[in-house]
Amino acid sequence: DAKTTQPNSMESNEEEPVHLPCNHSTISGTDYIHWYRQLPSQGPEYVIHGLTSNVNNRMASLAIAEDRKSSTLILHRATLRDAAVYYCPYERGAQKLVFGQGTRLTINP
Amino acid sequence: DGGITQSPKYLFRKEGQNVTLSCEQNLNHDAMYWYRQDPGQGLRLIYYSQIVNDFQKGDIAEGYSVSREKKESFPLTVTSAQKNPTAFYLCASAEGGETQYFGPGTRLLVL
Repeated sequence: DAKTTQPNSMESNEEEPVHLPCNHSTISGTDYIHWYRQLPSQGPEYVIHGLTSNVNNRMASLAIAEDRKSSTLILHRATLRDAAVYYCPYERGAQKLVFGQGTRLTINP
Repeated sequence: DGGITQSPKYLFRKEGQNVTLSCEQNLNHDAMYWYRQDPGQGLRLIYYSQIVNDFQKGDIAEGYSVSREKKESFPLTVTSAQKNPTAFYLCASAEGGETQYFGPGTRLLVL
């Protein structure tokens, strides 16, 4: 069954870079890769998305492997407010997102 | 202020009761979605609608029903056929292949 796989948890220190990995081995050539983050009891917040090339925005950078079977979300300088569960769903047609279990990111002060 | 609203924030259901969760958006998006999230899990798609008066089943549609009579509204009914309805329900909207934006969610609990 199509899905994404991520580490259950990661930990980093404030003001250091964080690299969050994601495997999406069943992704097809036209499926966009998205990243969202979620705080407890809130809806997911969009972070970034891309198709083939690496992408940057004010929140983060997205590095996509050449074969598109994996991607990495890069937070260049983590803050305490970046602590959340991070998801890397990909589209499965009609903008239907396929979510995995996500990575719980802890930021140490 | 544009966005997605969901109500109520908390909802309690009695055995054998149908309950309806509200989702409204003023972003003028064509597509709307309903997801279910169980504790410690990712989101699973219940239903989605790409245009008014049309909707399709997602991965876990059994025990749920929806309607899409207006562009801005996509209510979800949790029927008595849904035997394990306790979960966090999230509504989202999107426009033309772009990013999905999520509402704040409704937590449904069974009495």
